[in-house]
Amino acid sequence: QVQLQESGPGLVRPSETLSLTCAVSPYSINSVYYWGWIRQPPGKGLEWIGAMYHNGVSYYNPSLKSRVTISLDTSKNQFFLKLSSVTAADTALYYCARHSGDSSGYFRILESWGPGTLVTVSS
Amino acid sequence: QSALTQPASVSGSPGQSITISCTGTSSDVGAYNFVSWYQQHPGKAPKLMIYDVIYRPSGVSSRFSGSKSGNTASLTISGLQADDEAHYYCSSYTTTSAPSVMFGGGTKLTVL
Repeated sequence: QVQLQESGPGLVRPSETLSLTCAVSPYSINSVYYWGWIRQPPGKGLEWIGAMYHNGVSYYNPSLKSRVTISLDTSKNQFFLKLSSVTAADTALYYCARHSGDSSGYFRILESWGPGTLVTVSS
Repeated sequence: QSALTQPASVSGSPGQSITISCTGTSSDVGAYNFVSWYQQHPGKAPKLMIYDVIYRPSGVSSRFSGSKSGNTASLTISGLQADDEAHYYCSSYTTTSAPSVMFGGGTKLTVL
């Protein structure tokens, strides 16, 4: 059973960059899965942010693409989220998740999720 | 891309069956058999219940089933139990703007 655990600052100032880490165990992220992020504003629904494969191929939500970067560190078995120029609208519970699929849609199934970490954007 | 459309709430009594709909377009739900359903209890992470319209991951009860007709996918829960009370979200793979995943707004299931 794969385990995912998010970590990072719980408070980010407006206009700054939100940075989160997802630690994965015991499976290697250097495998056949995509690794990505989803967020959920308090009391609201889910929003897919993006996902990355270990070879560097990444896909992002078109509405966030200009501000999002997902990266991997296979040596540490971790992956990361950076969201720039944040505003109060980016306040949310951020989840990391293992994505799966096949050549018809490589990352279409969000099969395992971390417990989530709350990030508040406020001055 | 707009979110998929789900009813805000549904309810049913223990033992009954309920169905939650998820309506998209011919560019997402209607284009691919790549609809998933997630269950989320309060304060918990979402859990995958159905993928690729009809398939259940190992460990998910057979009381949960999925289907699709045209641009609308559905999740049916039979033999309702108290623990089924949760929010349910559908998702679909899409390539409208770029390959991505989109979610529905979520449905709160209340077991009366």
